[in-house]
Amino acid sequence: IAGITQAPTSQILAAGRRMTLRCTQDMRHNAMYWYRQDLGLGLRLIHYSNTAGTTGKGEVPDGYSVSRANTDDFPLTLASAVPSQTSVYFCASSDGAGGAQDTQYFGPGTRLTVL
Amino acid sequence: GQNIDQPTEMTATEGAIVQINCTYQTSGFNGLFWYQQHAGEAPTFLSYNVLDGLEEKGRFSSFLSRSKGYSYLLLKELQMKDSASYLCAATDSNYQLIWGAGTKLIIKP
Repeated sequence: IAGITQAPTSQILAAGRRMTLRCTQDMRHNAMYWYRQDLGLGLRLIHYSNTAGTTGKGEVPDGYSVSRANTDDFPLTLASAVPSQTSVYFCASSDGAGGAQDTQYFGPGTRLTVL
Repeated sequence: GQNIDQPTEMTATEGAIVQINCTYQTSGFNGLFWYQQHAGEAPTFLSYNVLDGLEEKGRFSSFLSRSKGYSYLLLKELQMKDSASYLCAATDSNYQLIWGAGTKLIIKP
């Protein structure tokens, strides 16, 4: 059992390019999340999904979009990357209905650099 | 506003005890999490406190005071492998987590 996988592990991207970060979980968790982690700041929620077919905006959603076509996959798309989107991106999932009391399990992260 | 404060960095000696503090201010608080994150790796769950008091789990214990908006993580019998960042996160009124910036713990022999 892999848990949560993310791809790619790292990526260098030219500004203005479109990029999709992939996230797949095999734990059949209902809720999934995308965070970015920047030096000196806490994890910041970008988008979340409490169940397949639904998504919601987090603290920093601008410039990002997500979809949740099924339980396992939760891709994050940067439509037109900008240098301020340089960050480490973590995908996470939790069992239950997405309440904040549910323990979140994190993927290994994607290190994205936008030049 | 919503805020989580924890020290940026702490240093401790192998075999000793260290306490990492966290103060929080969120609307709709339900509980507080501690996660461990080794450099270059994903955060992993350590503890979740809902009620006031101390919860012990092996070498790690976590304390919560809801009235004071305060929590701490206590690590005993420190080992070199405990060198990591420790993240405090509190729930908010939107049923999401507000995360602190993390405390980097350096263990010296």
